[in-house]
Amino acid sequence: DTGVSQNPRHKITKRGQNVTFRCDPISEHNRLYWYRQTLGQGPEFLTYFQNEAQLEKSRLLSDRFSAERPKGSFSTLEIQRTEQGDSAMYLCASSLGAHFYEQYFGPGTRLTVT
Amino acid sequence: RKEVEQDPGPFNVPEGATVAFNCTYSNSASQSFFWYRQDCRKEPKLLMSVYSSGNEDGRFTAQLNRASQYISLLIRDSKLSDSATYLCVVTTSNTGNQFYFGTGTSLTVIP
Repeated sequence: DTGVSQNPRHKITKRGQNVTFRCDPISEHNRLYWYRQTLGQGPEFLTYFQNEAQLEKSRLLSDRFSAERPKGSFSTLEIQRTEQGDSAMYLCASSLGAHFYEQYFGPGTRLTVT
Repeated sequence: RKEVEQDPGPFNVPEGATVAFNCTYSNSASQSFFWYRQDCRKEPKLLMSVYSSGNEDGRFTAQLNRASQYISLLIRDSKLSDSATYLCVVTTSNTGNQFYFGTGTSLTVIP
């Protein structure tokens, strides 16, 4: 499968714990985006990487959230001290250069904070 | 105020009907516009880009009105397979650094 993959697909954690998600984009895609989606809402932009550089970060993103893309390939999203309000689907998407608008989304990681 | 606003619906239409969705955006500096489609419990996928001159792809027509800051999607001759949520998407740059998605409009095509 050469699409975007995300792991884990589901994560249940207790409030206050840290969690880390991984995204593997399509191999030649230099752009990578993280989104959060809750029921009945569209994806909410979290952050954007071009290669290994994090170029945009939503002002809504608290300091508990951090993302990396160390070698310009896979990316990780970490949430520290999780809160119940963090429960959502976390989506990763990648795209290529001039076709930035055609984002290919992964299946997402569903986070449940109890 | 949200960057992008859509009527969430649901829209329930019979097969063969024509249905139109509208979307408004708040930032007049917005540069690029798209419609994405999201099937139930699936990830979003690009449906089409929206150009100032309007564009058509088969049964789908998208239009942009910059003066009024709204985007529309028209689906003709609806098929059962068109049932999905349609997401309006706006970027504030031509380089695609940040995408704003609407809440989506739910469409169900009824046999």
